[in-house]
Amino acid sequence: DAGITQSPRHKVTETGTPVTLRCHQTENHRYMYWYRQDPGHGLRLIHYSYGVKDTDKGEVSDGYSVSRSKTEDFLLTLESATSSQTSVYFCAISESAGGTNEKLFFGSGTQLSVL
Amino acid sequence: GQQVMQIPQYQHVQEGEDFTTYCNSSTTLSNIQWYKQRPGGHPVFLIQLVKSGEVKKQKRLTFQFGEAKKNSSLHITATQTTDVGTYFCAGYPGNQFYFGTGTSLTVIP
Repeated sequence: DAGITQSPRHKVTETGTPVTLRCHQTENHRYMYWYRQDPGHGLRLIHYSYGVKDTDKGEVSDGYSVSRSKTEDFLLTLESATSSQTSVYFCAISESAGGTNEKLFFGSGTQLSVL
Repeated sequence: GQQVMQIPQYQHVQEGEDFTTYCNSSTTLSNIQWYKQRPGGHPVFLIQLVKSGEVKKQKRLTFQFGEAKKNSSLHITATQTTDVGTYFCAGYPGNQFYFGTGTSLTVIP
């Protein structure tokens, strides 16, 4: 498996509190992604990064922000968590982008419950 | 919204039976990838298809990309208990990958 570590693995929080999830990689891959996985929806892209301090929105970015200050770390922040953000969050990395060579390697996931 | 549809959502088969899952996109795809996720695990890359009409095989798994590059299928011959999991397609129309909703495969020994 690729060197991707997500923390925490499990998190229970209350509505309205801020939450930060961390993704750390040791592969030195340029591209990093945050997905959420929900039953009936598959995996949906929240935000992605194509380099240090270079990020962009995915299809479900509302309510989320990201930061990447180092190549190896990509943080996902829920400024004020809501119950609709209860989900499994996966970080992924890829060596290149543009579709054809964009093979994704996923972390083990973070189970987030917002009560 | 969702651009890649995948059916069926669930499939139960007897060990030894065949299994097929289908993906359909509303737009033409540059390429399509397939991933497998074991229960409690994370998605793992299986294969990528790029060319129109492309067929690729990995042992008992056969992957096809449609002529119009809008649909794809994964067929497993003679399923085994090790095939249990959820299979996702991920289509790339040109900007990002859109994952299908997945097909959860249960293999009954």
